[in-house]
Amino acid sequence: EVQLVQSGAEVKKPGATVKISCKVSGYTFTDYYMHWVQQAPGKGLEWMGLVDPEDGETIYAEKFQGRVTITADTSTDTAYMELSSLRSEDTAVYYCATDPPSRSRYDWGQGTLVTVSS
Amino acid sequence: DIVMTQTPLSSPVTLGQPASISCRSSQSLVHSDGNTYLSWLQQRPGQPPRLLIYKISNRFSGVPDRFSGSGAGTDFTLKISRVEAEDVGVYYCTQATQFPNTFGQGTKLEIK
Repeated sequence: EVQLVQSGAEVKKPGATVKISCKVSGYTFTDYYMHWVQQAPGKGLEWMGLVDPEDGETIYAEKFQGRVTITADTSTDTAYMELSSLRSEDTAVYYCATDPPSRSRYDWGQGTLVTVSS
Repeated sequence: DIVMTQTPLSSPVTLGQPASISCRSSQSLVHSDGNTYLSWLQQRPGQPPRLLIYKISNRFSGVPDRFSGSGAGTDFTLKISRVEAEDVGVYYCTQATQFPNTFGQGTKLEIK
C-alpha cells in the first residue's frame, strides 16, 4: 500500500522559512515523481512543483520560483518542500502527492497546515 | 499555462439522481506520446484529494462504478450515475500533459 506521511503543522512569522517532509512507503521512491500542492483556506488546489527522485531534477511553478525548493533524499525515501520569505498569503495546507510517469495513480499525503502570522 | 475551467462551480443534487461536471482546457491535452493526461479528483471535507479517474476515463482502484469519465481534446466530463451521501465534496479536474500541472477551480457537490 502506497503511503505518504507528512510532518506536522507549523506556525511561522513573516519572512521566515518552512521545511515540510513527506516520507513514503509501499513503492520504489525513485519510480514516481513527487509533487507539492498548496491549498489556501477555503480555496482550490495550486501546483507548486515536483522533483524526480531518480535524478533530483525539479520543475517549479512560476508563481513559486525563487522561493520554493523541493528535494528528495533517496536514503530515507523522504521528500522535502522548503518555502522561504513567508507572507500571510502562504497560510495554507501543503500536500505532497506522487504519481508514476504513466499517470495511472496519484497518491496524496495527509497535508501539513502552515500558518504565517506575526 | 493550460487553464482548466470547470462548470458548474456548485451542484446541488438529490440523492439517487445523476450529476455531471464539465471541464474545459485552454488547449488540447493530447500529449506527444498519444495519451491525454486528464484526471478527476475528489476532496471530501477535511480530507486530502483522492484520485477517481485518470487518462480521461480510467477508474482508479476501489472507485465505485457509478463514477465515469469521458471526453477528448479540450472537453471532458465526470458523471456520477446515482449520487450517494458519501459523494459530497469538491471535485477537481487536473491536467498533467504539460508543465506546470494545473487544476480546475473545483465543483462543490452538495445534497439538496
